[in-house]
Amino acid sequence: GAGVSQSPSNKVTEKGKDVELRCDPISGHTALYWYRQSLGQGLEFLIYFQGNSAPDKSGLPSDRFSAERTGGSVSTLTIQRTQQEDSAVYLCASSNRAVEYGYTFGSGTRLTVV
Amino acid sequence: KQEVTQIPAALSVPEGENLVLNCSFTDSAIYNLQWFRQDPGKGLTSLLLIQSSQREQTSGRLNASLDKSSGRSTLYIAASQPGDSATYLCAVRPTSGTYKYIFGTGTRLKVLA
Repeated sequence: GAGVSQSPSNKVTEKGKDVELRCDPISGHTALYWYRQSLGQGLEFLIYFQGNSAPDKSGLPSDRFSAERTGGSVSTLTIQRTQQEDSAVYLCASSNRAVEYGYTFGSGTRLTVV
Repeated sequence: KQEVTQIPAALSVPEGENLVLNCSFTDSAIYNLQWFRQDPGKGLTSLLLIQSSQREQTSGRLNASLDKSSGRSTLYIAASQPGDSATYLCAVRPTSGTYKYIFGTGTRLKVLA
């Protein structure tokens, strides 16, 4: 597609429920990144995909968080048994594999756990 | 470990002023540096990307410079407008590890009409 698409744009869920966040990167971008931004905070790296594999998942905060990418395209970030501290904006970015290219971000998913 | 710092954290200026936002980084081993703009509750919009071999990039009223050896970049905004009000973030792409960008915490800019 023309840009990075994230869905849903907003999600309100009850504590303890599972949620899935979706990212559809720019066509042909092999690298995909998930970040989290809590209210008033900076960007927190979660996970990096190159193709379908995740060479860096060092930022996932707990085993309740997982992510996958299929067909070298769409990625899903899953949060199980959501907690209030998971409330944040989840941002996805994609990039061409070559390091001279920069990131293109999606508009994010605002997750609120009540 | 690469660290990126942005000063000031917040800035308020009257419309029409020229202003400079600062970004510093601790490790000069970078491929490039990218400046972003973030409006409240929104994603990040790329403004300028400077490769390590470049000294500056320009887009409209924006000019970004890079001094890799001293670990500094500046974003210059000419003739500021209320529509420029946003948070501005810089990020560097290191030449080691998995090459993911390292972000500063941003400068929150408010341009007063």
